[in-house]
Amino acid sequence: QSVLTQPPSASGTPGQRVTISCSGSSSNIGSNTVNWYQQLPGTAPKLLIYSNNQRPSGVPDRFSGSKSGTSASLAISGLQSEDEADYHCGAWDDSLHGPVFGGGTKLTVL
Amino acid sequence: EVQLVESGGGLIQPGGSLRLSCAASGFIFSDYWMHWVRQAPGKGLVWVSRIDSDGGSSVYADSVKGRFTSSRDNAKNTLYLQMNSLRAEDTAVYYCARHVSDYTNNVDRDWFDPWGQGTLVTVSS
Repeated sequence: QSVLTQPPSASGTPGQRVTISCSGSSSNIGSNTVNWYQQLPGTAPKLLIYSNNQRPSGVPDRFSGSKSGTSASLAISGLQSEDEADYHCGAWDDSLHGPVFGGGTKLTVL
Repeated sequence: EVQLVESGGGLIQPGGSLRLSCAASGFIFSDYWMHWVRQAPGKGLVWVSRIDSDGGSSVYADSVKGRFTSSRDNAKNTLYLQMNSLRAEDTAVYYCARHVSDYTNNVDRDWFDPWGQGTLVTVSS
């Protein structure tokens, strides 16, 4: 059971906007920044969003992140077939002295 | 190009030992904390361990404490994970990841980038 809570699945049609939620507690999301990682099928996780809402170079602006209190969200607009992947949220946890992750959300593009 | 390449995974019997390696290139390895994160088949990411930049301090998840040891050789730009007393529940793909941190405007920001390609450890008789 993961420390951060994500829905196991999400879906949308091409061009749609989808959001994925991530819920935590005061010791992790409530007091630290949130990161999102994209894991394409059969590959390693890759940094998608860092520091709540920052995109690394090369990540399209269709991807955006936000945080409020002990929850965070990843939004994907203009959904494309290549966005089909698992999305994981992560944050540092002050109680565990290490990072914690969500269980991952499998995004299906219908 | 900043890159991490893991090796050393394989099939091992319960109770056995295995050592994973993670070769770093494209950045000053000795400047960064490094982590091991694992992912059981069909499951989410689970943090395993962290080692600081000079190898003087390591922290472990409770599930591996006392069985796993993280170390590094900064001269060889390589991170290691020694895994002893392996159990079936240790079966997973193991990733190494670089810890990037930034402290600006009194806010601590931490993230993992990049991740290695992963190495599969299967514990089974």
